[in-house]
Amino acid sequence: EVQLVESGGGLVQPGGSLSLSCAASGFTFSDHYMDWVRQAPGKGLEWVGRIRNKASSFTTQYAASVKGRFTISRDDSKSSLLLQMNSLITEDTAVYYCARAILRAGATTFDFWGQGALVTVSS
Amino acid sequence: DIQMTQSPSSVSASVGDRVTITCRASQSINSWLAWYQQKPGKAPKLLIYTASSLQSGVPSRFSGSGSGTDFTLTISSLQPEDFATYYCQQSKSFPLTFGGGTKVEIK
Repeated sequence: EVQLVESGGGLVQPGGSLSLSCAASGFTFSDHYMDWVRQAPGKGLEWVGRIRNKASSFTTQYAASVKGRFTISRDDSKSSLLLQMNSLITEDTAVYYCARAILRAGATTFDFWGQGALVTVSS
Repeated sequence: DIQMTQSPSSVSASVGDRVTITCRASQSINSWLAWYQQKPGKAPKLLIYTASSLQSGVPSRFSGSGSGTDFTLTISSLQPEDFATYYCQQSKSFPLTFGGGTKVEIK
């Protein structure tokens, strides 16, 4: 059974840093691209960024709203995905989901999601 | 960025009703569109990929259609467990973007 479990959420002051982890199990983590998607309270879904697999040189892409502040990395030996968030602002308050990306016929879909981790940026 | 516009933003329907949700892209995305269902406090669940392919395990009352810029998600006979918010998502280009969501409520 595929499982994605996020951890590390919490309350942080504006300008602070926080790191989220996503522990994967039930599939060959190293084969897959992995993404982060967030959802502000009462709002819709916003894509945050992606890290590709070793075959694609672990390349990353980010939304403009987080580029330069957030870093996505992975540890395939631990089947773990990481999101390092720096220079946090109140607009970063959201539930953060890790999601497995599947490419089919050129299209990316997210077929498995974690339960989400709440990050609150407030003074 | 490709903008995804869903309509309506909410719909009230009864069990057994046919419900159709529309998603329009600001430019052609071929068939690179997915639909998700999200219930309160839960993660989204993939329903449809490449515009019309049903994800494994999803009931056949869900169907998707369209290509280019205009897409629809149809629930042929609404069931109690289908009351939720639905999102479309494009993967034609980065940044990946989602529609604003359509909330299906009980009438």
